[in-house]
Amino acid sequence: DAGVIQSPRHEVTEMGQEVTLRCKPISGHDYLFWYRQTMMRGLELLIYFNNNVPIDDSGMPEDRFSAKMPNASFSTLKIQPSEPRDSAVYFCASSQGALNTEAFFGQGTRLTVV
Amino acid sequence: AQKVTQAQTEISVVEKEDVTLDCVYETRDTTYYLFWYKQPPSGELVFLIRRNSFDEQNEISGRYSWNFQKSTSSFNFTITASQVVDSAVYFCALSGDLYGNKLVFGAGTILRVKS
Repeated sequence: DAGVIQSPRHEVTEMGQEVTLRCKPISGHDYLFWYRQTMMRGLELLIYFNNNVPIDDSGMPEDRFSAKMPNASFSTLKIQPSEPRDSAVYFCASSQGALNTEAFFGQGTRLTVV
Repeated sequence: AQKVTQAQTEISVVEKEDVTLDCVYETRDTTYYLFWYKQPPSGELVFLIRRNSFDEQNEISGRYSWNFQKSTSSFNFTITASQVVDSAVYFCALSGDLYGNKLVFGAGTILRVKS
């Protein structure tokens, strides 16, 4: 398997624009997580899904953030409208929760909002 | 609430030295999981180890070893005979959910290994 695949790897956008980050989890994994990494707050969980259903979105910072998982092989994290303080590295991770395996992370998307 | 503290912000060592990265955690869960991840300069997060709270056996994997002590709520990571390729940010993480994957991360320790 190719691992967790995220796109794009880098995104530069202007404040106020909509940004969509994409993630393809490892095939067969039933949990998908979105994390954000910043210098100020470190790595923090934004939201996670189980079998495509959002389970806990308490980490989503504002209504400007939304995440979807329309099927087992694809998830998106959307920011609309984006702000400079959203600049961060966004990681997607997946795991086989029922088998108690570790989460595998994608390479991340570095988002810069100018 | 769960919390992970990595008090060492940055450590510098010379190649071949041993180095220990400290991790102290707080949780009220009786069942929980502890992890270490490595983030090399390329940016990805690489899984190193997972431990559940009922397994206090220390583990060794090549040059890496982990010391889990529930009595002191610590899960320390030692690299023996460090190499330049070990230079990275190392994160300790904790999870108390049923499937052990909703991770709370520490702030990370930057390890610099000089040749």
